[in-house]
Amino acid sequence: GQQVMQIPQYQHVQEGEDFTTYCNSSTTLSNIQWYKQRPGGHPVFLIQLVKSGEVKKQKRLTFQFGEAKKNSSLHITATQTTDVGTYFCSYSGGSYIPTFGRGTSLIVHP
Amino acid sequence: DAGVIQSPRHEVTEMGQEVTLRCKPISGHDYLFWYRQTMMRGLELLIYFNNNVPIDDSGMPEDRFSAKMPNASFSTLKIQPSEPRDSAVYFCASSLSTRDPDTQYFGPGTRLTVL
Repeated sequence: GQQVMQIPQYQHVQEGEDFTTYCNSSTTLSNIQWYKQRPGGHPVFLIQLVKSGEVKKQKRLTFQFGEAKKNSSLHITATQTTDVGTYFCSYSGGSYIPTFGRGTSLIVHP
Repeated sequence: DAGVIQSPRHEVTEMGQEVTLRCKPISGHDYLFWYRQTMMRGLELLIYFNNNVPIDDSGMPEDRFSAKMPNASFSTLKIQPSEPRDSAVYFCASSLSTRDPDTQYFGPGTRLTVL
């Protein structure tokens, strides 16, 4: 079935550094969602991207959907300790079965 | 507005015992999902319902697992008999098809430990 690869698996940064996680698919995605899960918490919806080449911003977070709709990225500018957590991408195939990537765990060192 | 509610939040049981996890979706949502999360396998979809009807249960690991949704405001996930390898965090999530079916709202999860 359709698979997405999320990289990197882990990322350590110093507070104030930027962070980027990528979600790559071998096939075209109809849309993609991003979630954040704090340690010990549950996934929380951040955003959905639908259009080819779409870029959305939420404060220090920038989300992009590739032109071919096969990849997406989440970029955090000037990380803070509150950004710690695991970031997941998610998509639904044509049969509407949601699938989550393995996630990227962000560790921010003060 | 209350979010997705799950109970219990923590469950510790012994191998062979029956475990029942409960979920109350957001009022009005017509999709309900059960997930299992482990370090080894990540977040796995077990089963999902649409308007209380099970649509896809291909993620249910084996016959020991069963899920029901008797009405729009309640669902259960049952494991009988439980085994140590079932230890995981189980999440319930709901979504609204008429608004944005791919946006899921997760409950706080049930952390299950089978000894």
